[in-house]
Amino acid sequence: GAVVSQHPSRVICKSGTSVKIECRSLDFQATTMFWYRQFPKQSLMLMATSNEGSKATYEQGVEKDKFLINHASLTLSTLTVTSAHPEDSSFYICSARRSGVLTDTQYFGPGTRLTVL
Amino acid sequence: AQSVAQPEDQVNVAEGNPLTVKCTYSVSGNPYLFWYVQYPNRGLQFLLKYITGDNLVKGSYGFEAEFNKSQTSFHLKKPSALVSDSALYFCAVKTSGGYQKVTFGTGTKLQVIP
Repeated sequence: GAVVSQHPSRVICKSGTSVKIECRSLDFQATTMFWYRQFPKQSLMLMATSNEGSKATYEQGVEKDKFLINHASLTLSTLTVTSAHPEDSSFYICSARRSGVLTDTQYFGPGTRLTVL
Repeated sequence: AQSVAQPEDQVNVAEGNPLTVKCTYSVSGNPYLFWYVQYPNRGLQFLLKYITGDNLVKGSYGFEAEFNKSQTSFHLKKPSALVSDSALYFCAVKTSGGYQKVTFGTGTKLQVIP
């Protein structure tokens, strides 16, 4: 099956610092990747859609200058949380879209637990 | 607009008994339907999907789901529950054709009791 990795799996940082999270599709090329945020005991909230070679599309209410997304290749997208604050602490999950004839499925990474002190 | 409803926050079932996790959807057009499972502090794992073809879809770990167009439902089922099936289950939908976002349900916590 399709594999998506995320790095790091867990990060603790001080308030005001920036944190970069990587998302890689390991065995397929993904022109589209997605970044989600999940609060405890809640569903996934789509933050942005990342398209290879173009600017990301952010959902309403998500600050694009705070959550910088770069999709530089067909297998890598990065999310940078800039000037992180405690309210940014959350579980961040990426997914990569695998599409083709009779298939259109998102495969998810294992998630990154961000804790901002 | 598309939407997904998972009416049960939690489902409890005894080990060995059949389980059902409910999902209904609303889309304009033909739906693509998905089930994912999430274990604590982990990402989502793909279980199964319906795009076209047979209404009964078989997936990973013995799970299956039945697409019912008239009832706009896509309930997840398993004939015999295992304690290891205890997790959070998400139903998701998108419309077919072209790029569309996937909409997730709110999740149903499945608790299998030994």
